[in-house]
Amino acid sequence: GNSVTQMEGPVTLSEEAFLTINCTYTATGYPSLFWYVQYPGEGLQLLLKATKADDKGSNKGFEATYRKETTSFHLEKGSVQVSDSAVYFCALKSGGSNYKLTFGKGTLLTVNP
Amino acid sequence: GAGVSQSPRYKVTKRGQDVALRCDPISGHVSLYWYRQALGQGPEFLTYFNYEAQQDKSGLPNDRFSAERPEGSISTLTIQRTEQRDSAMYRCASSLSGSLVVTDTQYFGPGTRLTVL
Repeated sequence: GNSVTQMEGPVTLSEEAFLTINCTYTATGYPSLFWYVQYPGEGLQLLLKATKADDKGSNKGFEATYRKETTSFHLEKGSVQVSDSAVYFCALKSGGSNYKLTFGKGTLLTVNP
Repeated sequence: GAGVSQSPRYKVTKRGQDVALRCDPISGHVSLYWYRQALGQGPEFLTYFNYEAQQDKSGLPNDRFSAERPEGSISTLTIQRTEQRDSAMYRCASSLSGSLVVTDTQYFGPGTRLTVL
């Protein structure tokens, strides 16, 4: 079956630090990969996605590259801000089930000024 | 435009009571999904509708859980005879194309926090 393994949190960084949140997956077929973000008190929002190998998704300074050889989709940002403090979820949909998202457990990021 | 809305945002109930959770998807979205999220975990799939048809209910934990979307828009997730283990955040999402396109984006509502005492 499908599964997503995310880096355990919480992660605490100072403003302008570099961020990496690791995500690896197991899936049938050729999955699409997603990062969702949940800001305090809000619902899940799509941050970025990639639909095939070597695709890079990017948004709001965040990037993630779909690496088929290592089954990974690590989230990176060069310089985090206090406003990036949130819970980040890695997720996938596989070709065998085009509608069912499988999520990781989430990683809490706190950015201090 | 308006996003996915859910009501109530918070629900506290006593064990054994029935609860109904409502989801109002984005206008024009064909597909609707329910997920359940325990504390410290990611959301887990419960069920999926394409228009009014329930295409997949494999994630519903047992027969106390049911969902409907009678007119292809608003959906209700009902839990009968609630138990403490049902306490969780229940999230609804909607999307434009559903199973037709694997890249179809799901837009989530704010969730309903259910607490069963």
